[in-house]
Amino acid sequence: DTAVSQTPKYLVTQMGNDKSIKCEQNLGHDTMYWYKQDSKKFLKIMFSYNNKELIINETVPNRFSPKSPDKAHLNLHINSLELGDSAVYFCASSQDPAREQFFGPGTRLTVL
Amino acid sequence: RKEVEQDPGPFNVPEGATVAFNCTYSNSASQSFFWYRQDCRKEPKLLMSVYSSGNEDGRFTAQLNRASQYISLLIRDSKLSDSATYLCVAGPMDSSYKLIFGSGTRLLVRP
Repeated sequence: DTAVSQTPKYLVTQMGNDKSIKCEQNLGHDTMYWYKQDSKKFLKIMFSYNNKELIINETVPNRFSPKSPDKAHLNLHINSLELGDSAVYFCASSQDPAREQFFGPGTRLTVL
Repeated sequence: RKEVEQDPGPFNVPEGATVAFNCTYSNSASQSFFWYRQDCRKEPKLLMSVYSSGNEDGRFTAQLNRASQYISLLIRDSKLSDSATYLCVAGPMDSSYKLIFGSGTRLLVRP
């Protein structure tokens, strides 16, 4: 199936740990994104890559580091996890930054 | 003022009703507009793109008013399955490349 996929779907971990979330799209899109949706359901952009180049880097703690090994993949690594990092993280992709975005199923991160 | 503003609702309507949501955006430079639907514990899914003055897809009609900087979504003949949160999206604005998501309007369709 053509889609945006993320792994893992659920992630439960202790404070202070380092974890990664992976995202892959097979839609042939050039642009990929990471969003954070907190308990208030507000969807906030974190990062975006266009053709492997970082084009959006919002005010996010530098514990968060995106990596795009190729156009089809955008991973998110989080160091020294904190309680406030608990949220749902969505990956998305689009043909270009002005076009509609397609979202992955989300990764529900719980930091204990 | 929020960049994209929506009434959070919830809108509670009976099956078969017509319901309309409005959304305002602050930056007149916005060029693309979308409506997404998000079910509980699921990802946002594209409902409609609005590139010109409006768009219609079955029971759903979106309209764009650039002069007043608002976008509307009309749902006719509501179904139980329409119950969800509807997200209004505008962007990108200037060279930021960002789409800005509203916080969503919750719709509950009752039998």
